[in-house]
Amino acid sequence: EVQVVESGGGLIQPGGSLRLSCAASGDTFSTMFISWVRQAPGKGLEWVAIIYPDDRTFHADAVKGRFSISRDNSKNTVFLQMDALRVEDTAVYYCGGADRPNRGDYWGQGTQVTVSS
Amino acid sequence: EIVLTQSPATLSLFPGERASLSCRASQSVGIYLVWYQKKPGQAPRLLFYETSNRATGIPARFSASGSGTDFTLTISSLEPEDFAVYYCQQGSHWPTFGQGTKVEIK
Repeated sequence: EVQVVESGGGLIQPGGSLRLSCAASGDTFSTMFISWVRQAPGKGLEWVAIIYPDDRTFHADAVKGRFSISRDNSKNTVFLQMDALRVEDTAVYYCGGADRPNRGDYWGQGTQVTVSS
Repeated sequence: EIVLTQSPATLSLFPGERASLSCRASQSVGIYLVWYQKKPGQAPRLLFYETSNRATGIPARFSASGSGTDFTLTISSLEPEDFAVYYCQQGSHWPTFGQGTKVEIK
């Protein structure tokens, strides 16, 4: 089974930047679709970004132009670069992988991002 | 954006009872409907993909069905570990989630 571990969260002021990392085990990482999903306090789940095995990327309208997903297959790692952070970006960010797009078969425990002055 | 509406928002049941959760889409998502279980402080857990394909390790008391715009997740006899929030998610277009159904102990 694929294991996923997120890191990089923390407390950041509005307008600041953070880079989240998602490390996944297994030989099939390079063929996986990897997504970031977030859950704000007391709210439901929201899809943030997805990267395909061929490096195509898609981002939610709420983060387009501010967040960028990328991958390094040599390190079995996906990144979420978050710039121009807003208070409303405060959430637990989960990384998920699957062998099909728009789905998450394996998820990490999440990393907390708090945007506050 | 495809909107998923889950009902009821909360389901209060005793262990051993049957739970039936509904997920309705604002437009057809074909078979691309996924169900997850979510507990506080834990990662989402995949239950079903493509409407009714059970994920690895999911007990047989869980079942799922539907097509197009109407989908159902059924738990035939609730076990203590089943009390959680359940989300549906469509993968037909940009992925979206329903708002969740909380299954709580009565």
